[in-house]
Amino acid sequence: GQSLEQPSEVTAVEGAIVQINCTYQTSGFYGLSWYQQHDGGAPTFLSYNALDGLEETGRFSSFLSRSDSYGYLLLQELQMKDSASYFCAVRDGDTGRRALTFGSGTRLQVQP
Amino acid sequence: EPEVTQTPSHQVTQMGQEVILRCVPISNHLYFYWYRQILGQKVEFLVSFYNNEISEKSEIFDDQFSVERPDGSNFTLKIRSTKLEDSAMYFCASSVGPQETQYFGPGTRLLVL
Repeated sequence: GQSLEQPSEVTAVEGAIVQINCTYQTSGFYGLSWYQQHDGGAPTFLSYNALDGLEETGRFSSFLSRSDSYGYLLLQELQMKDSASYFCAVRDGDTGRRALTFGSGTRLQVQP
Repeated sequence: EPEVTQTPSHQVTQMGQEVILRCVPISNHLYFYWYRQILGQKVEFLVSFYNNEISEKSEIFDDQFSVERPDGSNFTLKIRSTKLEDSAMYFCASSVGPQETQYFGPGTRLLVL
């Protein structure tokens, strides 16, 4: 099976940088995804890492270290609208499962 | 930009009743999924569907649940006899390929009384 660990809450101020960590345990591995979810909304895809290193998309970057079973999402120049929950998710590569297994989510509160 | 759509946005039903949740995946996507999220908890996988058949399902997806692609655009989730614990947000998702990014719809909030 798979399990993911991420902090439950993070608080930061507008304009700051915040890093949300995710550690995972899977019997296989086929990439780490990050989704954003505003209250009452749908999970929205942010980024995906299949290989080690940093992927940058605008203000958001995501990093993966497969040897450490660890990744993080980096949010720069925080805006109030970034207040949301952020989920890391993995797919089990060994079994070829298509299902995403999500972490419990990190609630980000951006303060003025 | 194409998106996954779901209807209804909210559904209230009595325990024991049947409900059908509807989804229209992105048109060129071939893989479809249902997930659910109980209030305040994480998103949980229910079932994936490809080529008109279920390709995998979770322990949650028991005999009370079924999925169907009744026509070329709709993808439905049926719960035959709802239970109180079925109250959750149900999300449909679709992807181009089995390992490609899954895009989620806005969800149907189901409340079983």
